[in-house]
Amino acid sequence: SQQGEEDPQALSIQEGENATMNCSYKTSINNLQWYRQNSGRGLVHLILIRSNEREKHSGRLRVTLDTSKKSSSLLITASRAADTASYFCATDFYNQGGKLIFGQGTELSVKP
Amino acid sequence: DSGVTQTPKHLITATGQRVTLRCSPRSGDLSVYWYQQSLDQGLQFLIQYYNGEERAKGNILERFSAQQFPDLHSELNLSSLELGDSALYFCASSVGSRNSDTQYFGPGTRLTVL
Repeated sequence: SQQGEEDPQALSIQEGENATMNCSYKTSINNLQWYRQNSGRGLVHLILIRSNEREKHSGRLRVTLDTSKKSSSLLITASRAADTASYFCATDFYNQGGKLIFGQGTELSVKP
Repeated sequence: DSGVTQTPKHLITATGQRVTLRCSPRSGDLSVYWYQQSLDQGLQFLIQYYNGEERAKGNILERFSAQQFPDLHSELNLSSLELGDSALYFCASSVGSRNSDTQYFGPGTRLTVL
C-alpha cells in the first residue's frame, strides 16, 4: 500500500500562478522527498526535507513538513509551462536502507 | 540525463516468458534500486542493492529476482510473466545506501506482456 497520499490528484493553472501540492503519510519518517516526472520518463529529485526541519527552499520551490500532522506541502511559485509534470512525495523508513515509498502523485498542468 | 542507463527501452513479450532488464548506475554510485510503475499500483519499490549485497526489499514477487554484479551494474529478472506485470520498470542509483542519499533515476524500461 502507498505510504503517501497526495492531494490534489490533478491541478491545472496558468503560467505565473503558484501551485501547491500536498502529501500525507502514515508512519514516522526520517526524511521526505519530492520528485518530478515528465510524462513516461524517469523521476528527477527536487528536494529533501528532514524530519527535524519545518521548511526548506530551493529556487522557486518551497517545501514544508508538519510531522505532527504527518503531512508535507510543495509550493511552486511563478509557475512555467515547463513545470508541467507529475509530482510525487516519497518517504523513507528507519533502518531500511534507501527504500522509498512514493505517493500516487499530483499531475500538474501549467497553461501558457 | 541522469547518468543511469537502462536497456532495453521497450520490451514486448508473451505470458509465461522470462525477461532480463539491465541497469548501469552513475559512475561512482554503489547503490542500485529497482522500481515498478503501473497505473493501478503506482510507483512501487522492489529492491535495493548496495555494493553487490541486498540492502532493502519491498513487495517484490517471488517470480522476480535481481542481482548486482562486481562492476556494479544490475539486472532484474522477471519470470513466468503475467499480464499484470506490464509496467514501467525504473532503475535508480545513489552514492551510498542511506535514505537521505539522492536517487538518480534512469529512463525506464517499458514492459508489455501480451
